[in-house]
Amino acid sequence: DGGITQSPKYLFRKEGQNVTLSCEQNLNHDAMYWYRQDPGQGLRLIYYSQIVNDFQKGDIAEGYSVSREKKESFPLTVTSAQKNPTAFYLCASSPNAGISTDTQYFGPGTRLTVL
Amino acid sequence: GEDVEQSLFLSVREGDSSVINCTYTDSSSTYLYWYKQEPGAGLQLLTYIFSNMDMKQDQRLTVLLNKKDKHLSLRIADTQTGDSAIYFCAESSLGSQGNLIFGKGTKLSVKP
Repeated sequence: DGGITQSPKYLFRKEGQNVTLSCEQNLNHDAMYWYRQDPGQGLRLIYYSQIVNDFQKGDIAEGYSVSREKKESFPLTVTSAQKNPTAFYLCASSPNAGISTDTQYFGPGTRLTVL
Repeated sequence: GEDVEQSLFLSVREGDSSVINCTYTDSSSTYLYWYKQEPGAGLQLLTYIFSNMDMKQDQRLTVLLNKKDKHLSLRIADTQTGDSAIYFCAESSLGSQGNLIFGKGTKLSVKP
């Protein structure tokens, strides 16, 4: 099956701990994205990557870090510097880098709860 | 900056038509999208329309675009309880590097 997988579906962490969310795609897509979703806020872009070993900050990058060592993987680390990390995190990918007409496809999401 | 606005809630009866509206500000928008999100799930692409089109129909879904007023709508005919979800409008534009601007989502409730 082709698609985007995120793991785990639910994640619980203590305050002050870093946590890494996984995102993998086997669609051979160039571009990958991380969004945060809060109730009533819609989706906000955290980071995006258009090519391996390169990524850019989105609108709310503070307190987060990413890496793109492989085309199919784009893990997101939520650091202890993120003041309010409890949220639903969505990963997406699109076939080509930097093309405004490309469609983004989403993974099933990870719900992070910081206790 | 660019903005996409949607009303937050819509309630309809099963079998009726639903119309979800969206307005956007970016005049250089290229594609406009509708995504559906069921509870606890990711976003599912429903349909999209290129900015030089006025209308697109796909089975029960009809998308209307008024580029002059920067207004997009999604009509769902014969709405079913399985259509209950949050619907997001999103737009991409020239120079956005493929990034999407999302509305806050419209929660559609379908009553039997």
